[in-house]
Amino acid sequence: DTGVSQNPRHKITKRGQNVTFRCDPISEHNRLYWYRQTLGQGPEFLTYFQNEAQLEKSRLLSDRFSAERPKGSFSTLEIQRTEQGDSAMYLCASSLVVGASYNEQFFGPGTRLTVL
Amino acid sequence: AQSVSQHNHHVILSEAASLELGCNYSYGGTVNLFWYVQYPGQHLQLLLKYFSGDPLVKGIKGFEAEFIKSKFSFNLRKPSVQWSDTAEYFCAVNFNYGGSQGNLIFGKGTKLSVKP
Repeated sequence: DTGVSQNPRHKITKRGQNVTFRCDPISEHNRLYWYRQTLGQGPEFLTYFQNEAQLEKSRLLSDRFSAERPKGSFSTLEIQRTEQGDSAMYLCASSLVVGASYNEQFFGPGTRLTVL
Repeated sequence: AQSVSQHNHHVILSEAASLELGCNYSYGGTVNLFWYVQYPGQHLQLLLKYFSGDPLVKGIKGFEAEFIKSKFSFNLRKPSVQWSDTAEYFCAVNFNYGGSQGNLIFGKGTKLSVKP
Protein backbone atom coordinates (compact mmCIF):
# COMPACT_ATOMS: atom_id res chain seq x y z
CA ASP A 1 0.00 0.00 0.00
CA THR A 2 1.59 3.27 -1.09
CA GLY A 3 -0.93 5.59 0.57
CA VAL A 4 -0.51 7.80 3.61
CA SER A 5 0.03 5.79 6.77
CA GLN A 6 -0.41 6.84 10.38
CA ASN A 7 0.66 5.21 13.62
CA PRO A 8 -0.67 4.34 16.03
CA ARG A 9 -4.25 3.98 14.84
CA HIS A 10 -5.58 4.28 18.37
CA LYS A 11 -4.10 5.84 21.48
CA ILE A 12 -5.60 5.88 24.93
CA THR A 13 -3.82 8.01 27.49
CA LYS A 14 -4.38 9.58 30.86
CA ARG A 15 -4.80 13.30 31.27
CA GLY A 16 -1.48 15.02 31.70
CA GLN A 17 0.55 12.51 29.68
CA ASN A 18 2.41 13.36 26.47
CA VAL A 19 1.55 11.61 23.20
CA THR A 20 3.25 11.49 19.81
CA PHE A 21 1.73 10.44 16.52
CA ARG A 22 3.57 9.59 13.32
CA CYS A 23 2.59 10.16 9.70
CA ASP A 24 4.31 8.70 6.65
CA PRO A 25 3.18 10.52 3.51
CA ILE A 26 3.12 9.25 -0.04
CA SER A 27 6.81 9.06 -0.90
CA GLU A 28 7.07 11.70 -3.63
CA HIS A 29 4.79 14.22 -1.91
CA ASN A 30 6.46 17.39 -0.69
CA ARG A 31 3.56 18.80 1.34
CA LEU A 32 2.26 17.29 4.55
CA TYR A 33 -0.74 18.53 6.49
CA TRP A 34 -2.16 17.77 9.94
CA TYR A 35 -5.87 18.09 10.70
CA ARG A 36 -8.03 17.33 13.71
CA GLN A 37 -11.53 15.96 13.48
CA THR A 38 -14.01 15.86 16.32
CA LEU A 39 -17.38 14.15 16.38
CA GLY A 40 -19.90 15.73 14.05
CA GLN A 41 -17.38 18.10 12.48
CA GLY A 42 -15.26 18.15 9.38
CA PRO A 43 -11.48 18.07 9.63
CA GLU A 44 -9.90 21.24 11.05
CA PHE A 45 -6.50 22.36 9.76
CA LEU A 46 -3.65 22.47 12.29
CA THR A 47 -0.34 22.88 10.48
CA TYR A 48 1.54 22.03 7.31
CA PHE A 49 5.03 21.42 5.97
CA GLN A 50 6.64 21.97 2.62
CA ASN A 51 9.48 19.47 2.66
CA GLU A 52 11.07 19.95 6.11
CA ALA A 53 9.91 23.56 6.57
CA GLN A 54 6.88 24.17 8.75
CA LEU A 55 5.19 26.99 6.88
CA GLU A 56 2.12 27.49 9.01
CA LYS A 57 1.66 26.71 12.68
CA SER A 58 -0.57 29.47 13.94
CA ARG A 59 -3.56 27.15 13.74
CA LEU A 60 -2.11 24.71 16.23
CA LEU A 61 -4.60 24.64 19.05
CA SER A 62 -2.24 25.64 21.84
CA ASP A 63 1.44 25.70 22.70
CA ARG A 64 1.01 22.12 23.94
CA PHE A 65 0.85 21.05 20.28
CA SER A 66 3.96 20.80 18.15
CA ALA A 67 4.90 19.09 14.91
CA GLU A 68 8.11 18.20 13.15
CA ARG A 69 9.17 16.85 9.78
CA PRO A 70 12.93 16.59 10.30
CA LYS A 71 14.06 15.17 6.98
CA GLY A 72 11.16 16.16 4.82
CA SER A 73 9.74 12.65 4.88
CA PHE A 74 7.70 11.44 7.85
CA SER A 75 6.21 13.83 10.39
CA THR A 76 5.34 13.66 14.06
CA LEU A 77 2.66 15.51 15.98
CA GLU A 78 3.16 15.79 19.74
CA ILE A 79 0.65 16.84 22.33
CA GLN A 80 2.06 17.63 25.75
CA ARG A 81 0.07 17.49 29.00
CA THR A 82 -2.97 16.06 27.29
CA GLU A 83 -6.44 17.22 28.28
CA GLN A 84 -9.78 15.51 27.82
CA GLY A 85 -10.66 18.08 25.18
CA ASP A 86 -7.80 16.77 23.04
CA SER A 87 -9.75 13.58 22.41
CA ALA A 88 -10.29 13.50 18.64
CA MET A 89 -9.19 11.91 15.40
CA TYR A 90 -5.89 13.33 14.15
CA LEU A 91 -5.54 13.15 10.38
CA CYS A 92 -2.52 13.49 8.19
CA ALA A 93 -2.65 14.31 4.49
CA SER A 94 -0.04 14.77 1.80
CA SER A 95 0.12 16.30 -1.65
CA LEU A 96 2.56 17.12 -4.40
CA VAL A 97 2.82 20.82 -5.18
CA VAL A 98 5.01 22.00 -8.04
CA GLY A 99 5.48 25.72 -8.50
CA ALA A 100 2.15 27.52 -8.32
CA SER A 101 0.13 24.41 -9.07
CA TYR A 102 -2.27 22.94 -6.57
CA ASN A 103 -3.09 19.30 -6.15
CA GLU A 104 -5.48 17.32 -4.09
CA GLN A 105 -4.57 16.03 -0.66
CA PHE A 106 -4.53 12.33 0.13
CA PHE A 107 -5.54 11.42 3.63
CA GLY A 108 -4.33 8.74 5.97
CA PRO A 109 -6.57 6.62 8.21
CA GLY A 110 -6.02 8.83 11.23
CA THR A 111 -5.01 8.31 14.84
CA ARG A 112 -7.88 8.25 17.29
CA LEU A 113 -6.85 9.76 20.62
CA THR A 114 -8.82 9.16 23.79
CA VAL A 115 -7.77 11.07 26.89
CA LEU A 116 -9.15 9.64 30.12
CA ALA B 1 -13.18 34.19 8.05
CA GLN B 2 -13.57 31.65 5.30
CA SER B 3 -16.21 29.02 5.89
CA VAL B 4 -17.88 26.11 4.15
CA SER B 5 -21.51 25.19 4.75
CA GLN B 6 -23.18 21.90 4.04
CA HIS B 7 -26.92 22.21 4.22
CA ASN B 8 -27.92 18.73 5.25
CA HIS B 9 -26.64 16.88 8.28
CA HIS B 10 -28.29 13.53 7.48
CA VAL B 11 -29.98 12.44 4.28
CA ILE B 12 -31.92 9.20 3.99
CA LEU B 13 -32.78 7.88 0.54
CA SER B 14 -34.03 4.70 -1.01
CA GLU B 15 -31.96 2.96 -3.66
CA ALA B 16 -32.36 4.44 -7.14
CA ALA B 17 -33.37 7.84 -5.76
CA SER B 18 -31.51 10.91 -6.98
CA LEU B 19 -29.10 12.72 -4.71
CA GLU B 20 -28.10 16.33 -4.38
CA LEU B 21 -25.97 17.55 -1.49
CA GLY B 22 -25.49 21.25 -1.09
CA CYS B 23 -22.23 23.05 -0.40
CA ASN B 24 -21.66 26.79 -0.15
CA TYR B 25 -18.53 28.69 0.71
CA SER B 26 -17.99 32.20 1.99
CA TYR B 27 -15.15 33.62 -0.10
CA GLY B 28 -15.64 35.28 -3.44
CA GLY B 29 -12.20 34.87 -4.93
CA THR B 30 -10.44 32.00 -6.64
CA VAL B 31 -11.10 28.65 -5.07
CA ASN B 32 -10.23 25.01 -5.56
CA LEU B 33 -13.15 22.75 -4.66
CA PHE B 34 -13.38 19.16 -3.52
CA TRP B 35 -15.78 16.53 -2.36
CA TYR B 36 -14.41 13.79 -0.15
CA VAL B 37 -16.22 10.64 0.95
CA GLN B 38 -15.69 8.54 4.04
CA TYR B 39 -17.19 5.06 3.93
CA PRO B 40 -17.83 3.36 7.27
CA GLY B 41 -14.53 2.34 8.84
CA GLN B 42 -12.45 3.85 6.05
CA HIS B 43 -10.42 6.99 5.59
CA LEU B 44 -11.29 10.08 3.58
CA GLN B 45 -11.15 9.51 -0.16
CA LEU B 46 -11.34 12.05 -2.94
CA LEU B 47 -14.60 11.85 -4.87
CA LEU B 48 -14.03 14.72 -7.28
CA LYS B 49 -12.29 18.05 -7.64
CA TYR B 50 -12.59 21.36 -9.45
CA PHE B 51 -9.66 23.66 -10.19
CA SER B 52 -10.73 25.50 -13.33
CA GLY B 53 -12.44 25.00 -16.69
CA ASP B 54 -15.74 23.22 -17.20
CA PRO B 55 -17.82 23.91 -14.07
CA LEU B 56 -19.48 20.50 -14.32
CA VAL B 57 -17.02 17.92 -13.07
CA LYS B 58 -17.37 14.19 -12.99
CA GLY B 59 -15.92 12.00 -10.30
CA ILE B 60 -15.76 8.37 -9.36
CA LYS B 61 -18.74 6.06 -8.93
CA GLY B 62 -21.11 8.17 -11.03
CA PHE B 63 -20.91 11.32 -8.92
CA GLU B 64 -20.74 14.78 -10.42
CA ALA B 65 -20.67 18.31 -9.08
CA GLU B 66 -21.42 21.71 -10.50
CA PHE B 67 -19.52 24.85 -9.61
CA ILE B 68 -21.73 27.95 -9.73
CA LYS B 69 -19.45 30.89 -9.07
CA SER B 70 -22.25 33.44 -8.70
CA LYS B 71 -23.83 31.36 -5.95
CA PHE B 72 -20.54 30.31 -4.28
CA SER B 73 -21.82 26.77 -4.53
CA PHE B 74 -20.43 23.35 -5.42
CA ASN B 75 -23.30 20.88 -5.12
CA LEU B 76 -22.79 17.15 -5.41
CA ARG B 77 -25.18 15.03 -7.45
CA LYS B 78 -25.82 11.44 -8.40
CA PRO B 79 -28.82 10.42 -10.50
CA SER B 80 -29.38 7.04 -8.86
CA VAL B 81 -27.87 6.09 -5.51
CA GLN B 82 -26.95 2.60 -4.39
CA TRP B 83 -26.81 1.05 -0.94
CA SER B 84 -23.00 1.12 -1.25
CA ASP B 85 -23.10 4.93 -1.37
CA THR B 86 -23.94 4.97 2.33
CA ALA B 87 -21.16 7.14 3.75
CA GLU B 88 -20.32 10.59 5.03
CA TYR B 89 -19.65 13.26 2.41
CA PHE B 90 -17.48 16.30 3.02
CA CYS B 91 -17.20 19.42 0.90
CA ALA B 92 -13.79 21.08 1.14
CA VAL B 93 -12.44 24.35 -0.24
CA ASN B 94 -8.95 25.70 -0.75
CA PHE B 95 -9.19 29.47 -0.73
CA ASN B 96 -6.58 30.49 -3.26
CA TYR B 97 -5.33 33.95 -2.39
CA GLY B 98 -1.97 35.55 -1.70
CA GLY B 99 -0.45 33.84 1.29
CA SER B 100 -2.78 30.88 1.12
CA GLN B 101 -1.27 27.89 2.79
CA GLY B 102 -3.02 25.38 0.60
CA ASN B 103 -4.94 23.95 3.51
CA LEU B 104 -8.52 22.88 3.11
CA ILE B 105 -11.55 24.27 4.91
CA PHE B 106 -14.12 21.52 5.37
CA GLY B 107 -17.85 21.58 5.86
CA LYS B 108 -19.34 19.64 8.74
CA GLY B 109 -20.25 16.73 6.50
CA THR B 110 -23.47 15.08 5.39
CA LYS B 111 -24.29 11.53 6.37
CA LEU B 112 -26.03 9.67 3.59
CA SER B 113 -27.98 6.54 4.44
CA VAL B 114 -29.32 4.54 1.49
CA LYS B 115 -32.05 2.04 2.25
CA PRO B 116 -31.94 -1.15 0.14
